[in-house]
Amino acid sequence: EIVLTQSPGTLSLSPGERATLSCRASQSVSNNYLAWYQQKPGQAPRLLIYGASSRATGIPDRFSGSGSGTDFTLTISRLEPEDFAVYYCHQYGSAPHAFGQGTKVEVK
Amino acid sequence: DVQLLESGGGLVQPGGSLRLSCAASGFTFSSYPMSWVRQAPGKGLEWVSAITSSGGSTYYADSVKGRFTISRDNSKNTLSLQMDSLRAEDTAIYYCAKEKQPPYFDYWGQGTLVTVSS
Repeated sequence: EIVLTQSPGTLSLSPGERATLSCRASQSVSNNYLAWYQQKPGQAPRLLIYGASSRATGIPDRFSGSGSGTDFTLTISRLEPEDFAVYYCHQYGSAPHAFGQGTKVEVK
Repeated sequence: DVQLLESGGGLVQPGGSLRLSCAASGFTFSSYPMSWVRQAPGKGLEWVSAITSSGGSTYYADSVKGRFTISRDNSKNTLSLQMDSLRAEDTAIYYCAKEKQPPYFDYWGQGTLVTVSS
């Protein structure tokens, strides 16, 4: 069973800054089947990235995903006010599905 | 537009049962696998169960195996989760999610809250 560890737990940044979020897997993620979701308070998660680097429909290009094997990164190039939220990584390459514990991006 | 609307949550005593439903619209429901994912208050996401598009195969997290049953009615575009022998640790918001192959979750419902407490 794959365990995903996200870091940092909280990222304090200002609008306009670059955010770099990490997701590390306990073993290699098959076919780089790694997704990222954004969740705002009181809302359901929203798919941002799938296949480690493919943006979902309607997701702005300031969001990008990279990585392979056990190390993955979500980058937000310039934070907009609506980007302050919790972000989760998710591996779906092997059963069972696993989520990271989340990274909160908060206003500094 | 894809819409997923959960219902059936509420307060239940430990050892009790509850049945959740998810009404789907805006896509060909019978063509897609579906999942339930839960989130305990203030915590992260936990996958609970999945079902293939035909309903012929089902999958469960170890934490709910033998207690929860997932099913679907493709004629009514409805996904269900029968939850028996509920425990305090099952308290969470339960989301239904549409799967895209390979199985990531491209659409989520707004969730329904299940509280297990005496």
